[in-house]
Amino acid sequence: ETGVTQSPTHLIKTRGQQVTLRCSSQSGHNTVSWYQQALGQGPQFIFQYYREEENGRGNFPPRFSGLQFPNYSSELNVNALELDDSALYLCASSFRGLTNEKLFFGSGTQLSVL
Amino acid sequence: AQKITQTQPGMFVQEKEAVTLDCTYDTSDQSYGLFWYKQPSSGEMIFLIYQGSYDEQNATEGRYSLNFQKARKSANLVISASQLGDSAMYFCAMREGTGRRALTFGSGTRLQVQP
Repeated sequence: ETGVTQSPTHLIKTRGQQVTLRCSSQSGHNTVSWYQQALGQGPQFIFQYYREEENGRGNFPPRFSGLQFPNYSSELNVNALELDDSALYLCASSFRGLTNEKLFFGSGTQLSVL
Repeated sequence: AQKITQTQPGMFVQEKEAVTLDCTYDTSDQSYGLFWYKQPSSGEMIFLIYQGSYDEQNATEGRYSLNFQKARKSANLVISASQLGDSAMYFCAMREGTGRRALTFGSGTRLQVQP
């Protein structure tokens, strides 16, 4: 077990709705990142937070937004859901997120958009 | 251009045999890190092994070793003595440069270990 927990595990939404996914980082980790993994593909970087500030962003539109809280837990919010947003969303944490640091991943939230 | 290329969508191996999963990468940075993760059907990404660009020795972690050929930009994962529990998706990933950077993942290889 990595100590990274995500909720909910599964979620079904309809197109146009909004969704919030939650992540609790491993104790002591102040860097959290979110990845989207479409079926049959590798994870794609959405964004990263370090000490409550966005620290990097992948090629995702602004309707993907996030927060990191003082206790280093995190949320991923997606507005105006589209069918292509259906994917496994993975949260990962690390102590500082530096080059040689591994990421600890949660088990993910499987989002289905109908 | 793809940053990480995994050319084997699927691999089969007999239990107790060794298997090599291929990974090539593309970067202009001198400093980078290469990772391998395992993803079982449960979805969680499990860290296996890390190789830094300046590391002169190939990384090893138990039954896992990384065959790092810097000039060829390849970082193949070798699993020795395969076990049934090794059946999973395997992803190669890279973090470029220094500082807080994201991981870039390949498309993965599905490994099936047969009894």
